[in-house]
Amino acid sequence: DGGITQSPKYLFRKEGQNVTLSCEQNLNHDAMYWYRQDPGQGLRLIYYSQIVNDFQKGDIAEGYSVSREKKESFPLTVTSAQKNPTAFYLCASSPLDGLAVQETQYFGPGTRLLVL
Amino acid sequence: AQKVTQAQTEISVVEKEDVTLDCVYETRDTTYYLFWYKQPPSGELVFLIRRNSFDEQNEISGRYSWNFQKSTSSFNFTITASQVVDSAVYFCALSAEIQGAQKLVFGQGTRLTINP
Repeated sequence: DGGITQSPKYLFRKEGQNVTLSCEQNLNHDAMYWYRQDPGQGLRLIYYSQIVNDFQKGDIAEGYSVSREKKESFPLTVTSAQKNPTAFYLCASSPLDGLAVQETQYFGPGTRLLVL
Repeated sequence: AQKVTQAQTEISVVEKEDVTLDCVYETRDTTYYLFWYKQPPSGELVFLIRRNSFDEQNEISGRYSWNFQKSTSSFNFTITASQVVDSAVYFCALSAEIQGAQKLVFGQGTRLTINP
């Protein structure tokens, strides 16, 4: 089945620790995205990538880093510089067959990050 | 700047009632796309519908219907004969273009509870 997988489902971070969230898709989508969701809030864009080896900052990129070495994978690292990392993280992907603005983003199941 | 407002934070109805979720958007773009997503308790965002700014026809899919009115910048979502399985958080989103890429601007979401 085609889809987006995220792992782990729950992740615990200690103070000063970097942690990496995995996002893999087998939809052959060109674009991938990371969002952060806080309780009672909408989603905010962290980073996005339209092609391999290229990515751009979203609205709240500080304290996060990403890589896009393969089309299928877009891991997100939450660094120790992110002082309030507790949130629900969602990865999404979309095709780029035409205008980017018209594409539909499809989401993974999410990773819940908690600070110990 | 683009903005999406979902004024209803929470709605609670009894099963079989009809319910409408409001969405008001702001954009200066002449071409844009609007989306609705459902987020069940599991957390994954499920795509429901995409509508472009040139198509003001209402859409119906089973018990779901959408009313797009450009004159009032609204894209409301109605569930007819609601069921307990409809309980979820629903997000309205606006697609904006940023440097050739897509950015989804989300509303804060409406938590819908259907009581048996």
